[in-house]
Amino acid sequence: DAGVTQSPTHLIKTRGQHVTLRCSPISGHKSVSWYQQVLGQGPQFIFQYYEKEERGRGNFPDRFSARQFPNYSSELNVNALLLGDSALYLCASSFGTGTYTEAFFGQGTRLTVV
Amino acid sequence: EDQVTQSPEALRLQEGESSSLNCSYTVSGLRGLFWYRQDPGKGPEFLFTLYSAGEEKEKERLKATLTKKESFLHITAPKPEDSATYLCAVQFPNAGGTSYGKLTFGQGTILTVHP
Repeated sequence: DAGVTQSPTHLIKTRGQHVTLRCSPISGHKSVSWYQQVLGQGPQFIFQYYEKEERGRGNFPDRFSARQFPNYSSELNVNALLLGDSALYLCASSFGTGTYTEAFFGQGTRLTVV
Repeated sequence: EDQVTQSPEALRLQEGESSSLNCSYTVSGLRGLFWYRQDPGKGPEFLFTLYSAGEEKEKERLKATLTKKESFLHITAPKPEDSATYLCAVQFPNAGGTSYGKLTFGQGTILTVHP
């Protein structure tokens, strides 16, 4: 079975540019969450989407936005990139949003802003 | 503020030398505690979920336990291939309390097992 897939795997952007990251969840999973992981730290929650609706948002600026499509795949958009946005961006897939729901991560997209 | 703290930050073991990693949390409304393994440059790999104090789960050389304020990941007779960063995450309700997707992670413990 295919796991969570993310694209691209690596990306280099210039300050001020815009970036779109993509995620396909595990088949049958309806919830997608996005996390940012900077080097040496644990992942930080950005968004959760379930059935195309935003269900949670972390402490990130409005430059970060996301959406979920009818096939449950998702995009994370970041505008006006800053050097500090350089990180590993992780997508997590889960069946739903209940209390007994396990999250499975993709391999991540490594974003470097220069 | 809800916090998750892992200790030690780094741990070096000889092959076969058993030890434990700690994850402590100050939370309200805890719904689940998760352990993940992460190799360099890769996404976290799911290991265990624990939901109630006293619960234990095992997988190969790993055993996770949970109390009301902390969790331990016990590693028995580790091998070099167990070298990785081990992440602990706590599940919280989202704003409004109607769904539970947010995971708050600790900073991780970097485990190195020497042959």
